[in-house]
Amino acid sequence: TQLLEQSPQFLSIQEGENLTVYCNSSSVFSSLQWYRQEPGEGPVLLVTVVTGGEVKKLKRLTFQFGDARKDSSLHITAAQPGDTGLYLCAGARGSARQLTFGSGTQLTVLP
Amino acid sequence: DTAVSQTPKYLVTQMGNDKSIKCEQNLGHDTMYWYKQDSKKFLKIMFSYNNKELIINETVPNRFSPKSPDKAHLNLHINSLELGDSAVYFCASSQVASTNTQYFGPGTRLTVL
Repeated sequence: TQLLEQSPQFLSIQEGENLTVYCNSSSVFSSLQWYRQEPGEGPVLLVTVVTGGEVKKLKRLTFQFGDARKDSSLHITAAQPGDTGLYLCAGARGSARQLTFGSGTQLTVLP
Repeated sequence: DTAVSQTPKYLVTQMGNDKSIKCEQNLGHDTMYWYKQDSKKFLKIMFSYNNKELIINETVPNRFSPKSPDKAHLNLHINSLELGDSAVYFCASSQVASTNTQYFGPGTRLTVL
């Protein structure tokens, strides 16, 4: 059983479309991070959200932390082929040094 | 300029062999990690060291032994390799704070034949 479930697992869309990826849990997290991983490389941090209800924007990417700090979403507007990659959410609990990673969403944006 | 580096990038070996993967970070971080990413891309933590001291040791066969000679290095030694050990292994580091941002290396793809 995954502590953090991401949906969808796979997503293939055309350039210019919008999409939303979800990260859900029954556990409360003190913070939640989103990473993007490209083939042959390690995950790279996109954003960290800390406060329940927090919304952060990174160009065409909008991240939201749920009010109860149990879930998060990533919305991409007008997707581009360069957005292609594996998107991973990761939650931290309390002062624990350990991050729990989600199951991942593989996004493919077709030109 | 490389923040977190791992060697080798690819490792192909026979079942039963012993192999090591090396990791170095030049970010001055106090905590380093080893993760295993399986074929389904699930990233699972194996070990974490803080200032050369083991602080996280998940359920991993004792054939896997991490070693941290100093804060900037965390190596992973694997004895008696098995087919199921085939995966991509990532090293990461962080300066532990409330958000614990982790910086990952490029990964080592291990293939056991």
